[in-house]
Amino acid sequence: QVQLVQPGSDLKKPGASVKVSCKASGRTLSNYGLNWVRQAPGQGPEWMGWINMNNGKPYYAQAFTGRFVFSFDTSVSTAYLEISGLQSDDTAVYYCATDVAVAGRKAYDIWGQGTTVIVSS
Amino acid sequence: QSALAQPPSASGSPGQSVSISCTGTSSDIGTYDYVSWYQQHPGRAPKLILYEVNKRPSGVPDRFSGSKSGNTASLTVSGLQTDDEAAYYCSTYAGRTNMIFGGGTKLTVL
Repeated sequence: QVQLVQPGSDLKKPGASVKVSCKASGRTLSNYGLNWVRQAPGQGPEWMGWINMNNGKPYYAQAFTGRFVFSFDTSVSTAYLEISGLQSDDTAVYYCATDVAVAGRKAYDIWGQGTTVIVSS
Repeated sequence: QSALAQPPSASGSPGQSVSISCTGTSSDIGTYDYVSWYQQHPGRAPKLILYEVNKRPSGVPDRFSGSKSGNTASLTVSGLQTDDEAAYYCSTYAGRTNMIFGGGTKLTVL
């Protein structure tokens, strides 16, 4: 069974960058897409985009172009979300998620625990 | 795309049924049968409870059911239990690999 493991939290100053990791265990992710979802405090989730773990091609939702970069390192089965030029409204929980048992059904049955990124001076 | 519209709150007593609506547009819910629902307890990651409108992943009880009519999807929770108290989010495919989530409904079990 695939599990996605994320670090718990990170505190950054405005203008800094952060790199959130998402490590897959139990099975390789090479046949799946890896999605990133942001959830600001008290808000619903927001789909940020996904990266094709087969060919490395990322796709960004319209609201997440420019300062956001998806990547992965197959040697350590880890995907990354990098955010540059952090702003206070980037404060949120960032989840990675994928579809395994429901592959291709536009739903995510495997989620990481989420990484809380706090942007504060 | 805008977030899908959900009522902010819903409630019911143990054993009762409650339904939560999720309204999109003719370009998303109205076009695709890729509506999914997630349950989220405080401090936890969302958990998939329905996909493709009314299909349940393994392990999800049949007390959870879904439907869709036009641009609106619905989640029904029957036989409410105290552990059903959580936030519920709908999601849909919106074309060109885009996904949209709803703003969420906080379900209270009285």
